[in-house]
Amino acid sequence: GQQVMQIPQYQHVQEGEDFTTYCNSSTTLSNIQWYKQRPGGHPVFLIQLVKSGEVKKQKRLTFQFGEAKKNSSLHITATQTTDVGTYFCAGPSSGGSNYKLTFGKGTLLTVNP
Amino acid sequence: DSGVTQTPKHLITATGQRVTLRCSPRSGDLSVYWYQQSLDQGLQFLIQYYNGEERAKGNILERFSAQQFPDLHSELNLSSLELGDSALYFCASSVAFGFSGNTIYFGEGSWLTVV
Repeated sequence: GQQVMQIPQYQHVQEGEDFTTYCNSSTTLSNIQWYKQRPGGHPVFLIQLVKSGEVKKQKRLTFQFGEAKKNSSLHITATQTTDVGTYFCAGPSSGGSNYKLTFGKGTLLTVNP
Repeated sequence: DSGVTQTPKHLITATGQRVTLRCSPRSGDLSVYWYQQSLDQGLQFLIQYYNGEERAKGNILERFSAQQFPDLHSELNLSSLELGDSALYFCASSVAFGFSGNTIYFGEGSWLTVV
């Protein structure tokens, strides 16, 4: 079945440093979604990328979707302590009426103030 | 607040027991999803319902079952519980059942501890 891999599993940075997490799918994705889960919280939708090569920005966050639509990345510029949490990518798989969202295992970001 | 309501928030039960987790989706959302989150397995998709019908099945054990009622709330039933079933169970909802342009919203989860 479809697999979504994320690296790194953990990342610890000093406040102000940049951070990047990478996501790779075993299959071509129709779209990819990114979620953030704060410690003790629930996953919160951040963004969805649909087009090949698409780049979207949300303030200090930059999301990219690969040309082959099998990989994606999330880059945070100048991290802040509020960025702490686990970042998940998720890709849909569908076949007929079967839709499910497969999540990567996430990258846990910790930020040292 | 995502608008997805889950009860109970915490539950402690013994092995072999049965529990029911309840979920009320966001107003207007027809799709309900159940996910299990554990430290070693991450977020695992269990099952999805759309407007009362099962639409997709993931890694859901035979001891687990779910349903979506006419008022669109959903219940996840976990039976013959084992220690390994201890996890955070999330319910999520969305308007449709396809994923293009379809954001899913997660509830705060139900912490299940099996002792």
